[in-house]
Amino acid sequence: DTEVTQTPKHLVMGMTNKKSLKCEQHMGHRAMYWYKQKAKKPPELMFVYSYEKLSINESVPSRFSPECPNSSLLNLHLHALQPEDSALYLCASSQFGPGELFFGEGSRLTVL
Amino acid sequence: KNEVEQSPQNLTAQEGEFITINCSYSVGISALHWLQQHPGGGIVSLFMLSSGKKKHGRLIATINIQEKHSSLHITASHPRDSAVYICVPRGSQGNLIFGKGTKLSVKP
Repeated sequence: DTEVTQTPKHLVMGMTNKKSLKCEQHMGHRAMYWYKQKAKKPPELMFVYSYEKLSINESVPSRFSPECPNSSLLNLHLHALQPEDSALYLCASSQFGPGELFFGEGSRLTVL
Repeated sequence: KNEVEQSPQNLTAQEGEFITINCSYSVGISALHWLQQHPGGGIVSLFMLSSGKKKHGRLIATINIQEKHSSLHITASHPRDSAVYICVPRGSQGNLIFGKGTKLSVKP
């Protein structure tokens, strides 16, 4: 299994809603990443988890809350988002160190 | 100056043409990734290089560490190769530095 699975593929939410994005991999990778991508721009790093611990937080607003409950699962909890947070959210994983990257298909988020 | 420069930004080719996308970077790296992103958004990792050359089907990637330069070549291009190709050096601290991407369109 060489897949990174993201759910949901599409999400529409209001500014007062609470929702979560989910990412799962079963390749034994111990580094997992959340990226945000706006249209026609490269992905921007949000968070990195290494061995289930948050190792990098790129000054992301607290309305985004990551969680890594186990080595296969990465969540991104969303609360009180703004319309400008509408974007494609990509999850990736790799072996710890300079390993090959595996990306999910992304979750396309629209905030109304 | 950006740490990663890709050229060209946009490329239109006829089916069957040989295509080259270039990537120059200014930092020390431990490896370099070439990624492909289709319009739907999903990203596929094409290559990870730390030296020399790799080939996979019609795709060839090369890297020159001394010159801080990498190229991605596509032989016998096909409309299904139409995508954005992204060069991503991995810095010596393990951080990934995304290039802005090259949008390739291959016409039948």
